[in-house]
Amino acid sequence: DTAVSQTPKYLVTQMGNDKSIKCEQNLGHDTMYWYKQDSKKFLKIMFSYNNKELIINETVPNRFSPKSPDKAHLNLHINSLELGDSAVYFCASSQDVGLNYGYTFGSGTRLTVV
Amino acid sequence: KQEVTQIPAALSVPEGENLVLNCSFTDSAIYNLQWFRQDPGKGLTSLLLIQSSQREQTSGRLNASLDKSSGRSTLYIAASQPGDSATYLCAVINTNAGKSTFGDGTTLTVKP
Repeated sequence: DTAVSQTPKYLVTQMGNDKSIKCEQNLGHDTMYWYKQDSKKFLKIMFSYNNKELIINETVPNRFSPKSPDKAHLNLHINSLELGDSAVYFCASSQDVGLNYGYTFGSGTRLTVV
Repeated sequence: KQEVTQIPAALSVPEGENLVLNCSFTDSAIYNLQWFRQDPGKGLTSLLLIQSSQREQTSGRLNASLDKSSGRSTLYIAASQPGDSATYLCAVINTNAGKSTFGDGTTLTVKP
């Protein structure tokens, strides 16, 4: 049983396209996150949702739009993809918004924009 | 603003050695600290979580300690094995804000 699952695992697409990445967690956690890991392996928070409500929205282009239909799902839609969007995107969840019990990460989605 | 530094950036050791990875942070008012390993092309696997009231956590050959006064956490790996080869990341967590800052990682190679 995968705790935090992301689909697809790999995504190759052309500049200007719109794409979505899906994330689901079966841990019963309240809070979910999207992180971006660039080529230098640096992890940067993009968004977090707690019980379907947006609580963290870092400086991210408007082309990125998260959607949480319920607390077990957090999807990421990206419009008008650019070369600089190429990275690995990680979904994560935590039991509570305060991260008192740390994170559980998904296996990542490697996005390549050509 | 919290800054997290992991030194060294890369480490290569022969199998069987004991080793220490370091994670330094600038804001001593941290709450929790979590260590992860990341294998190439994979996600982050949680190794140990040290909550603010704790000084260390142990799991098998791994021991993580936290010294908030000096702004430092160490991950000790005993009797290293080739399977320990991975990138190790620390995350400094502010539980009040529900935010964390990740270090850049230490890439460990254990040679047979």
